Amino acid sequence: DAGVIQSPRHEVTEMGQEVTLRCKPISGHNSLFWYRQTMMRGLELLIYFNNNVPIDDSGMPEDRFSAKMPNASFSTLKIQPSEPRDSAVYFCASSQQDREAGANVLTFGAGSRLTVL
Amino acid sequence: QKEVEQNSGPLSVPEGAIASLNCTYSDRGSQSFFWYRQYSGKSPELIMFIYSNGDKEDGRFTAQLNKASQYVSLLIRDSQPSDSATYLCAVRDNDMRFGAGTRLTVKP
Repeated sequence: DAGVIQSPRHEVTEMGQEVTLRCKPISGHNSLFWYRQTMMRGLELLIYFNNNVPIDDSGMPEDRFSAKMPNASFSTLKIQPSEPRDSAVYFCASSQQDREAGANVLTFGAGSRLTVL
Repeated sequence: QKEVEQNSGPLSVPEGAIASLNCTYSDRGSQSFFWYRQYSGKSPELIMFIYSNGDKEDGRFTAQLNKASQYVSLLIRDSQPSDSATYLCAVRDNDMRFGAGTRLTVKP
């Protein structure tokens, strides 16, 4: 398996522009997580999905952020309009949602580094 | 709000020594606990997970869990310079929340 695939790897944009980050989870995984990582705040959970359904989006900073998962193999995180404080590395991770030992381990993508000027 | 707390570090140990990393969590009902390692500029990667009270060993790594004290730790024996990284403690219920991480440096 190719693992969790994220795109773009790097994005530089200007304040006010729309940003769309994409994620393809590992085939067979039914849980998908979006995280944001900064030096100041560490790894923050933004939203997660089980079976394509958003379960908890309480970590989404504000209405400028939205996430969708239209099918089991694709998810997007959109920021509109973007602001300089959104600059961070955004990680997507997937797992099986299963209580069996080891089955609910998260596997991370390589991340998308966003810079908003 | 569920909290996962880690030693802020940084932690520095000489090569060959034991490195001890600690983590506490706020939700007494949590069942699954994970340690991830993150090299600079890379994504977190799993070291090991633990579900039951006690110790779990995997090579040079030992995870220890004490649910009564809401405490989980990671011991790295015979530390190597290649172990220098940030170590993230994570707690999984339905979601998965991470501590701020402890930066470990192993000096040759």
